[in-house]
Amino acid sequence: NAGVTQTPKFRILKIGQSMTLQCTQDMNHNYMYWYRQDPGMGLKLIYYSVGAGITDKGEVPNGYNVSRSTTEDFPLRLELAAPSQTSVYFCASSPAGTGPGSPLHFGNGTRLTVT
Amino acid sequence: DQQVKQNSPSLSVQEGRISILNCDYTNSMFDYFLWYKKYPAEGPTFLISISSIKDKNEDGRFTVFLNKSAKHLSLHIVPSQPGDSAVYFCAASDRGSRLTFGEGTQLTVNP
Repeated sequence: NAGVTQTPKFRILKIGQSMTLQCTQDMNHNYMYWYRQDPGMGLKLIYYSVGAGITDKGEVPNGYNVSRSTTEDFPLRLELAAPSQTSVYFCASSPAGTGPGSPLHFGNGTRLTVT
Repeated sequence: DQQVKQNSPSLSVQEGRISILNCDYTNSMFDYFLWYKKYPAEGPTFLISISSIKDKNEDGRFTVFLNKSAKHLSLHIVPSQPGDSAVYFCAASDRGSRLTFGEGTQLTVNP
């Protein structure tokens, strides 16, 4: 059982380039999330989805886009990379939101550097 | 506006002693609280949680205490082990839709 899989593990982008961070889960979870972790800042929610076809903004959505065409996949798109997007990105999933009995399962992260 | 705050970036304890990690929150709508543990190059993993209707929850060596009037929660680890060395994140849920995380506390348990 793979859980939440993120690719790539590392990436270096030049300013203005675009890329897609891939996330897939095999637990049939309805809820999926994208977080970024900056040093000393904890995890900030970028976007989340409560099911296929439904997405919503989190705390820091600017500069990112998402789509959720299937239950399994939740890619995160950066259109015009900026140095402020240098961060570690974590994808997570849960069966039913963030309440009791529904802890988030995280992938191992994508470390992105924009120069 | 940091709604969940962990004021201690780091904590160092001796093996076998108690580790106490603290977390404060400001949003009174938070009704469920969790602790996650993170090792380097891995994603956070769920450790323990507590509902706002309780003031204590225990799971083996880990106990979480909630003081709603003070908007404060703490994680106690007894006895601490070197394998507990990790970053610990406090998180809070607002009606089950999404989690707000604190900044994290790096715990180091010395043999």
